[in-house]
Amino acid sequence: AQSVSQHNHHVILSEAASLELGCNYSYGGTVNLFWYVQYPGQHLQLLLKYFSGDPLVKGIKGFEAEFIKSKFSFNLRKPSVQWSDTAEYFCAVNPSYSSASKIIFGSGTRLSIRP
Amino acid sequence: GAVVSQHPSWVICKSGTSVKIECRSLDFQATTMFWYRQFPKQSLMLMATSNEGSKATYEQGVEKDKFLINHASLTLSTLTVTSAHPEDSSFYICSARGQIGGQSYTFGSGTRLTVV
Repeated sequence: AQSVSQHNHHVILSEAASLELGCNYSYGGTVNLFWYVQYPGQHLQLLLKYFSGDPLVKGIKGFEAEFIKSKFSFNLRKPSVQWSDTAEYFCAVNPSYSSASKIIFGSGTRLSIRP
Repeated sequence: GAVVSQHPSWVICKSGTSVKIECRSLDFQATTMFWYRQFPKQSLMLMATSNEGSKATYEQGVEKDKFLINHASLTLSTLTVTSAHPEDSSFYICSARGQIGGQSYTFGSGTRLTVV
């Protein structure tokens, strides 16, 4: 079945550690890819997005993600996390076949940063 | 940047009553709006897609008669939960897609619905 998979449900890191959150999708063809963050008690915010071009995408707050088409992956990375990065992170995909341009979310990864 | 306002932010209603949730794009025209439902500690599940001036497209398993969606203008979409029951208690989030910045999706702050 077509889906968006986030492998890590809960990640716990210490401050200054490096972060990589996995995201894989199973849609064929062209896709648009997103990472959203939801801080405690707040609404979703866009971290970064990939539509085309350079597969290494830079986002806000030092985050980046790399689109690897052959692996159907769009992993999120940050070289050094901060306590303020504690949040829920969602990978999302907009399949090109979807004329309604809807985006489908992964199950989310909760990131907890120890001070 | 693009802003989506969603109201109310929380609502408590009695079982059997109806509740309307509004989603407004404040500084752009939203040709398409999406309604999601989020259960505690779970991801967002797309309920329906609404395009201005036409009927909403519902995802499989979503009851059209229970979750009424209206997108009468380019800046307003409403979700009405009819004859609400406790199992409808959830966090409802709208998202709007406009022309600013290309294919940008902006999310509202969500509505916490509790049916008692």
